[in-house]
Amino acid sequence: NAGVTQTPKFQVLKTGQSMTLQCAQDMNHNSMYWYRQDPGMGLRLIYYSASEGTTDKGEVPNGYNVSRLNKREFSLRLESAAPSQTSVYFCASSDRGTGGYSPLHFGNGTRLTVT
Amino acid sequence: AQKITQTQPGMFVQEKEAVTLDCTYDTSDQSYGLFWYKQPSSGEMIFLIYQGSYDEQNATEGRYSLNFQKARKSANLVISASQLGDSAMYFCAMREEGKSSGDKLTFGTGTRLAVRP
Repeated sequence: NAGVTQTPKFQVLKTGQSMTLQCAQDMNHNSMYWYRQDPGMGLRLIYYSASEGTTDKGEVPNGYNVSRLNKREFSLRLESAAPSQTSVYFCASSDRGTGGYSPLHFGNGTRLTVT
Repeated sequence: AQKITQTQPGMFVQEKEAVTLDCTYDTSDQSYGLFWYKQPSSGEMIFLIYQGSYDEQNATEGRYSLNFQKARKSANLVISASQLGDSAMYFCAMREEGKSSGDKLTFGTGTRLAVRP
């Protein structure tokens, strides 16, 4: 009963390094999302994918790229990490198309520190 | 403008008492959904309750209920008979269901609840 799986759980990068956060869901959901959580800011949407083959910018997309590899997987890439990208990153998925009631199911988060 | 506003950064409640966490929202869509999530200190996001804009009755899930006042654009979470395990951060979120809104949730900044024994 995995749900949404994110890797890694923790990561420390130096400024300018790149990395990819991986996310996979086994619930056959159409929609997938990447959020970041910062103290006092709640969760802010970085990118989302309403269905396989589509991606759209959210509220804070600068400095990030995403790939919807297939229906299960949605990755987030930081090409050149900056200290401002220090945050907790959450991947989520939902079963779009089932009407209003389709809550987001979240992974356990990735804590990223950029020094 | 903030789409979701949670004005209480932190709250205390005595064990076994009820507590209300405030949430107001702003949208011009007629169709939307409101969600509450719980984030304990371990960090995971747990879905608690959902209210659709066309639902006439307030949503309930066990000890959680959503006090939905559409005209006032408020969707307060009520936790009855608080337990120590209710100590957590609580987030209100909204999904706007207009054509241009996509399928995403917009979150408030959260309320940290501490339950006192």
